[in-house]
Amino acid sequence: LAKTTQPISMDSYEGQEVNITCSHNNIATNDYITWYQQFPSQGPRFIIQGYKTKVTNEVASLFIPADRKSSTLSLPRVSLSDTAVYYCLVGAPEKLTFGTGTRLTIIP
Amino acid sequence: DSGVTQTPKHLITATGQRVTLRCSPRSGDLSVYWYQQSLDQGLQFLIQYYNGEERAKGNILERFSAQQFPDLHSELNLSSLELGDSALYFCASSPTPGQGTDTQYFGPGTRLTVL
Repeated sequence: LAKTTQPISMDSYEGQEVNITCSHNNIATNDYITWYQQFPSQGPRFIIQGYKTKVTNEVASLFIPADRKSSTLSLPRVSLSDTAVYYCLVGAPEKLTFGTGTRLTIIP
Repeated sequence: DSGVTQTPKHLITATGQRVTLRCSPRSGDLSVYWYQQSLDQGLQFLIQYYNGEERAKGNILERFSAQQFPDLHSELNLSSLELGDSALYFCASSPTPGQGTDTQYFGPGTRLTVL
C-alpha cells in the first residue's frame, strides 16, 4: 500500500497558480496517481489521474517525474471556488487511503 | 451530480440503536464503496462490494455490516451505535472491480448524528 504525504494546508491569492505536491516513495509499478477535490459536506470529486510525465485536462495539470515518487497537482488561476480539500491517492481503489488531504484556502 | 444517490441525507438517533444507510450506484457501475468521514478527518475506507460480492474490507467495525443486492444498490448497517459513530458516510461507485485507472463517483453522503 503506497503511503502518500501532502502538506496539511496551503493559502493562495485569487488568480495565482497553485501547485500541491504529494510524495509517494513506495509507489508500485502498476499504480496510478489520482487527485480528488472535496468541498465541505460533499463527496469527493475526481480531478485528474496520471501514470507518468504530464496530464492536462480542463481544470488541472498533473506533473509526474520519471521516478514517480512524487506528483504535483497544478491549478491555474485559482478562484475563491477552488477553496477545498485536495486528496492525492495512489493505487487501486480498494487499497486507497484518502488521508487528511491538503486544505487549500483561496484569499480574495 | 455524480449519479450516485444516498438516503437518507440526515439521520439522528440515540446510542445503542441500529440504522441502515442506502446507496444506489451510477447506472452501469458494479462496484460500491463505503467510507466514513468524522469531523475534520480524512475519509476512512470501510468496505467494497463488486457485483454482489464483498471484494475488499478496510477499517470497518464488527458492529457495522454491508451488503449489495442483485439490483446493485447497497446498504450499510450500523448497530449498537456509539457517540463516536457520528460522521458523514459516503458511498462511491465505479464500473469495475477496482482497477488502477478506476474513477470513483461519490454520493452526497448521509450525515449520522448519534445522541
